[in-house]
Amino acid sequence: GAVVSQHPSWVICKSGTSVKIECRSLDFQATTMFWYRQFPKQSLMLMATSNEGSKATYEQGVEKDKFLINHASLTLSTLTVTSAHPEDSSFYICSAGGGMAVQYFGAGTRLSVL
Amino acid sequence: QKEVEQNSGPLSVPEGAIASLNCTYSDRGSQSFFWYRQYSGKSPELIMSIYSNGDKEDGRFTAQLNKASQYVSLLIRDSQPSDSATYLCAVSGAGGTSYGKLTFGQGTILTVHP
Repeated sequence: GAVVSQHPSWVICKSGTSVKIECRSLDFQATTMFWYRQFPKQSLMLMATSNEGSKATYEQGVEKDKFLINHASLTLSTLTVTSAHPEDSSFYICSAGGGMAVQYFGAGTRLSVL
Repeated sequence: QKEVEQNSGPLSVPEGAIASLNCTYSDRGSQSFFWYRQYSGKSPELIMSIYSNGDKEDGRFTAQLNKASQYVSLLIRDSQPSDSATYLCAVSGAGGTSYGKLTFGQGTILTVHP
């Protein structure tokens, strides 16, 4: 399968700071990337769909001003959690869309906000 | 609301047995169906994709799809302790803005005991 790189894998930050997470498709060009959040013992919840060169589409209930998504190239999408608070602590996972609706996932970023 | 439901777990099987995982979905127009495996603390890994009615086999894994019944299943033959993980059923929307977006089931925890 395709390789999707996600960094950092783990970040700890103070409340009120911003955190940027990068997602790169290493061996194919991904027109569409997706960002998910997963809380312990729960399934993946889609936060937003990121399309190269256009604004991201956010799912209902996700604050677009808090979770800034940029998809500047066909291989890179970034998620910035602005003014993070403890309730934002979660496992954030990106994926890159391949053909036939397949999604290939990055390794995930575990965010802990103190 | 589009939903994906998986059989309640956890599921425990002895090593060498067949593990059967089931999933139903509510959107009759869904076109693409996936099974992902997620180890604890890791991101999902694609195991199988299936797009048409019937069976699809890949090694010890067999996916079965019945669109009329809106049902998809995964069979794992000769289960191994390394198969112990959470299995996620994912369904892609029918088209338009839903195409390529995955809706995940809540996951079934599988434990294979020696």
